Amino acid sequence: KAGVTQTPRYLIKTRGQQVTLSCSPISGHRSVSWYQQTPGQGLQFLFEYFSETQRNKGNFPGRFSGRQFSNSRSEMNVSTLELGDSALYLCASSYQREGGYTFGSGTRLTVV
Amino acid sequence: AQRVTQPEKLLSVFKGAPVELKCNYSYSGSPELFWYVQYSRQRLQLLLRHISRESIKGFTADLNKGETSFHLKKPFAQEEDSAMYYCALATNFGNEKLTFGTGTRLTIIP
Repeated sequence: KAGVTQTPRYLIKTRGQQVTLSCSPISGHRSVSWYQQTPGQGLQFLFEYFSETQRNKGNFPGRFSGRQFSNSRSEMNVSTLELGDSALYLCASSYQREGGYTFGSGTRLTVV
Repeated sequence: AQRVTQPEKLLSVFKGAPVELKCNYSYSGSPELFWYVQYSRQRLQLLLRHISRESIKGFTADLNKGETSFHLKKPFAQEEDSAMYYCALATNFGNEKLTFGTGTRLTIIP
């Protein structure tokens, strides 16, 4: 079956702009999580959605937001981009946590 | 707050030698622990989880609640084991959040 799909793979944005990233989970997975990966901070949890509801949120400013649609697809949005937002953004989906989380290849965002 | 510590950023091991990647965690409740692996130019993928007590690619990991550790072990390293390894912790059920360690880059020397 298809894995977790993230689009686009690469993005270059200018400071102050906003960006929307997309994630399509594995079919049947209703939980979608987002993580930010940087060389300095490693993998950090952004937020998690289940059945269109945000259940958990990490310690990121309000500029980072997300949503989930009825088909479980999820988007995350970053407004007023800063240079420090440059990172690899990973999406993960799961059916049950005991089964673990399946990650996408990520979207690499570069802010210039 | 929960925390995962992987003390070794880099680890080099000769092919055929035993491998142990250390992971310690800090959490007052009952944790669920995972090991994820990222091979060169591939996505992060689940290697194993403590509740299944399975062996994947020859790797095993035992949860030691007394020592709050979840070390990853393999008796005989293979060249294809070279990768980045991340230990991760999940807490209460319904709180679908993984806390990751900083990772250990394992290099197998031929």
